[in-house]
Amino acid sequence: AQSVTQPDIHITVSEGASLELRCNYSYGATPYLFWYVQSPGQGLQLLLKYFSGDTLVQGIKGFEAEFKRSQSSFNLRKPSVHWSDAAEYFCAVGLPGGGADGLTFGKGTHLIIQP
Amino acid sequence: DSGVTQTPKHLITATGQRVTLRCSPRSGDLSVYWYQQSLDQGLQFLIQYYNGEERAKGNILERFSAQQFPDLHSELNLSSLELGDSALYFCASSVFGGAEGNTIYFGEGSWLTVV
Repeated sequence: AQSVTQPDIHITVSEGASLELRCNYSYGATPYLFWYVQSPGQGLQLLLKYFSGDTLVQGIKGFEAEFKRSQSSFNLRKPSVHWSDAAEYFCAVGLPGGGADGLTFGKGTHLIIQP
Repeated sequence: DSGVTQTPKHLITATGQRVTLRCSPRSGDLSVYWYQQSLDQGLQFLIQYYNGEERAKGNILERFSAQQFPDLHSELNLSSLELGDSALYFCASSVFGGAEGNTIYFGEGSWLTVV
């Protein structure tokens, strides 16, 4: 079965600094890849997605992610974080081939922004 | 606003009781998913419906059941509630049933507290 690993449970970044959140997946082929963000008391908002093509994908709120097949990774980046980026970030995979099992999520990374 | 609507937003109930959570998918989406988010288990896929039919089943307990109605709204029924069922229950929707090119959008969730 597929799995998603987000190695960092918590990350603290100073406002204005760059950010990289790590995501690794385990699957026999290239899955579809997603990043979602969950602000306190809120639902999950889709930041960006990768299905195929250009391995660098742009999302909302200034986020981008790069798919690296050789490393089975899909890391999320932002060049300069804002206090409003403090939230929980989830990486998720979906299975190609018509799989209908919804998404498999990582455990999440809690992002703390220091002033 | 993802366009996925869930009610109620919060509910508190006693052990042994039964509750129903309701979800209206985004306009045009045929597929509905239910997820459970708890501190210890993270985000767990429960069940998926596509155009009224059950499409995939995840870690859904036998005490839980769901259905999707002809107008495509869905209900998740939780019965014989236990303290451990306290969680945030998300509904999500997508256009397609399978994974190809499929983007899943989440509602804001229903907070269930069992006392």
